[in-house]
Order: sequence, then structure tokens, then C-alpha cells
Amino acid sequence: AQKITQTQPGMFVQEKEAVTLDCTYDTSDQSYGLFWYKQPSSGEMIFLIYQGSYDEQNATEGRYSLNFQKARKSANLVISASQLGDSAMYFCAMREGLNSGGYQKVTFGTGTKLQVIP
Amino acid sequence: DAGITQSPRHKVTETGTPVTLRCHQTENHRYMYWYRQDPGHGLRLIHYSYGVKDTDKGEVSDGYSVSRSKTEDFLLTLESATSSQTSVYFCAISDPDRGDTQYFGPGTRLTVL
Repeated sequence: AQKITQTQPGMFVQEKEAVTLDCTYDTSDQSYGLFWYKQPSSGEMIFLIYQGSYDEQNATEGRYSLNFQKARKSANLVISASQLGDSAMYFCAMREGLNSGGYQKVTFGTGTKLQVIP
Repeated sequence: DAGITQSPRHKVTETGTPVTLRCHQTENHRYMYWYRQDPGHGLRLIHYSYGVKDTDKGEVSDGYSVSRSKTEDFLLTLESATSSQTSVYFCAISDPDRGDTQYFGPGTRLTVL
């Protein structure tokens, strides 16, 4: 079974509109972390936002927020007021076993390509 | 931004030749990782290191070896490159004492002809 599932290979959004990128995950661990990364066409991987499984509040970083629904095992990224510079690939990732010590494996989804239309 | 550099940034080589990619960090993070990125696969872990001279395999380690003789440097070696190793390679760093986030280097695009 896929650990991280991103069901939207590509999405379009109008500039200044909000967009939600879907991510569902699968883990039996109680303690885990969820991440979103942005990869523009230039290729670098940019960390956007993090949510811990025990965090009660949804994480926010500027125009990015993470809609964390633990019971549904979803961690959707919401980008408000889209900008042309938001056009990129977006990857969801999960780290399991946060309290087990040592290395904690991070699993990445296959990504969603977002295109912002002027 | 984390201080992570990778060299070279681009390389074209021939099948059967050895290739070494270097990752250098200035953040003194304990963990370092090598990933490869291929279309449709996201990022897959090749090897990681949890300290100087301490390394372990990831999910796609066949054909790759690593070494870490200093905290700041993590080398990835393809002993005999094959066309299936054509990919974009990313180095990442993290430190459990400074949160859970992995920060990535700029990537190396490797083409094996």
C-alpha cells in the first residue's frame, strides 16, 4: 500500500484564488510528522510547512496552511491568494516513528503539478 | 536557508565509469541523506548517515555506496554507472535536536550514456 498518496497529478488555479492540494497517508504509528515541499521548475526542493501528529492546531506559514484531518488521515495543503510564482510541483511527505530514536524514514508522494493562470 | 551545496551540479558520463557526487553542509546537522528523483516515483532514499562513519541503506541502495569521513561531507559513489542511474540526485540534512524537517541541496543532474 502507498504510504503517501497524492491523487492529483496536475491542477490549475486562477491567480489570486485559493487552491487545495490533496494528500492522504497511511501509518500505524501514533507519532509522525507531515511535510509539504515545493519544487519549482528550477529544480530545488523548498520546505513549506510541517504538521506533527500531536499538534492540535493546523499549521500555517504565511499563505500556506495544512488542513490536518487525523481521523481521515489527510494532510491537504491550502495555498491562499495564488501567485504566478506558486506554479511548481508540490510534494507531500511523512516521517514515521518520531519517538523511536535514530533514523526516522521519510516517505514522499509522487507530487502534484500546480499551474497558476493569470 | 540551510547551507547545503552539491557538486557537481550536472554530469554526463558513460556506462561503466565510476562517479562520485559530493554533498557539503555548513549547518552541523547530524543526519545526511541521498535521494534520487525520477518521474512518477517522487524521491527515493538511497543511503543515509547518522554520524561520521555511520551509514545505512535506503530503499534503492543497489549500485551505490556512500562515505562520511567528516560531519560536513557525505559522498555518494556509483562504482560502475549504468543508464538506469540517470536521475536527479538530492542531498538532504536533518537533525533530531533541531526538529524533524529535512532540508535539501540544489540537486545534481546525472546522465549516464
